[in-house]
Amino acid sequence: GESVGLHLPTLSVQEGDNSIINCAYSNSASDYFIWYKQESGKGPQFIIDIRSNMDKRQGQRVTVLLNKTVKHLSLQIAATQPGDSAVYFCAESGSGGYQKVTFGTGTKLQVIP
Amino acid sequence: DGGITQSPKYLFRKEGQNVTLSCEQNLNHDAMYWYRQDPGQGLRLIYYSQIVNDFQKGDIAEGYSVSREKKESFPLTVTSAQKNPTAFYLCASSIRFEGEKTQYFGPGTRLLVL
Repeated sequence: GESVGLHLPTLSVQEGDNSIINCAYSNSASDYFIWYKQESGKGPQFIIDIRSNMDKRQGQRVTVLLNKTVKHLSLQIAATQPGDSAVYFCAESGSGGYQKVTFGTGTKLQVIP
Repeated sequence: DGGITQSPKYLFRKEGQNVTLSCEQNLNHDAMYWYRQDPGQGLRLIYYSQIVNDFQKGDIAEGYSVSREKKESFPLTVTSAQKNPTAFYLCASSIRFEGEKTQYFGPGTRLLVL
């Protein structure tokens, strides 16, 4: 397969269990956050986003939690499935004017059947 | 079927050769971006374009060039001046350049050096 997932922290989860993937960000001025999923050899796919005026947002089987006090973001995946196996990374940016988007290095999620 | 397409999927470059990676989008997005992805690193911005006929250098523009003659197209040329071109190249677009912007990515092109 492709080498995107090398040297990344890995989270191994049993199929059907819930997964929690964490991301620490550094820029206290960031106020818009996105989670992406990247399967081996493919481009990143948008999963869910959250603005800084929220601390929780839910999608289909996914929930993003934002803790601005400690600059921490997490992605929770309910009832993890084999198709969820991928690298997940967060992205942060500001929302006023031009703001550079900063991408994290990612966490590899392995789902054990 | 809207989206971003990149071609080719794999590209081989010989020493001293310039190669061009294609990126096309039919999402009617104003802004387009090129990133480089290396193992264990976050995406690094090569070039971006806010609008047609405009483009700006990103963090690692040396050895690369782009053009934006059409809204739909943002090709990236990897020149012979780029000494370490082996990487996975990702093109992205967003509705607008400023403010909150979700970037949507193409499938990527893997560039290998012969």
